Amino acid sequence: KQEVTQIPAALSVPEGENLVLNCSFTDSAIYNLQWFRQDPGKGLTSLLLIQSSQREQTSGRLNASLDKSSGRSTLYIAASQPGDSATYLCAVRGYQKVTFGTGTKLQVIP
Amino acid sequence: SAVISQKPSRDICQRGTSLTIQCQVDSQVTMMFWYRQQPGQSLTLIATANQGSEATYESGFVIDKFPISRPNLTFSTLTVSNMSPEDSSIYLCSVELYGPNTEAFFGQGTRLTVV
Repeated sequence: KQEVTQIPAALSVPEGENLVLNCSFTDSAIYNLQWFRQDPGKGLTSLLLIQSSQREQTSGRLNASLDKSSGRSTLYIAASQPGDSATYLCAVRGYQKVTFGTGTKLQVIP
Repeated sequence: SAVISQKPSRDICQRGTSLTIQCQVDSQVTMMFWYRQQPGQSLTLIATANQGSEATYESGFVIDKFPISRPNLTFSTLTVSNMSPEDSSIYLCSVELYGPNTEAFFGQGTRLTVV
């Protein structure tokens, strides 16, 4: 059974800082890994998708990496802004279904 | 990306009643997924809805409690039946727009409170 863990559970940083969110998973037999953000009480917004054959993906200030063999992914956010405040979820697409992580709640302080 | 519309966006319901949540996608998709997010928790898959066949339910979820319809390739409904306060959650539909194992997109969710 796939288990997905995100560390830290919560993070508070001053505006402008670069930060790293971590996601670890127990079963490396995956199709892809996807990062989402979720604003309070809302649905999920897709940020980045990394296929199992890829090492990283970039979109604007976001960079996600994947090390499938060690069961780890990181989401790097450069020059954080108050608008980045949200919960960040990673989701691992295995052969049977998608398993979501526990989330990291990020607060960027102006 | 896909435009996924969910209705209602929120509702407050009496225990013992049922609520049907609608999910409309602006593209034809093979599979649609229904998730539950309990307060303070991550997402849990309820079932996968395929057009023209019975939905496939995950362990812990049953058709009598969460009946699903999938009449065509752009629409699905999830009913939460005989509700209790423990059913208070955000319910989300999702699609893999470009085929199996591709990028997943989500609706804005339905926030359900059962009193």
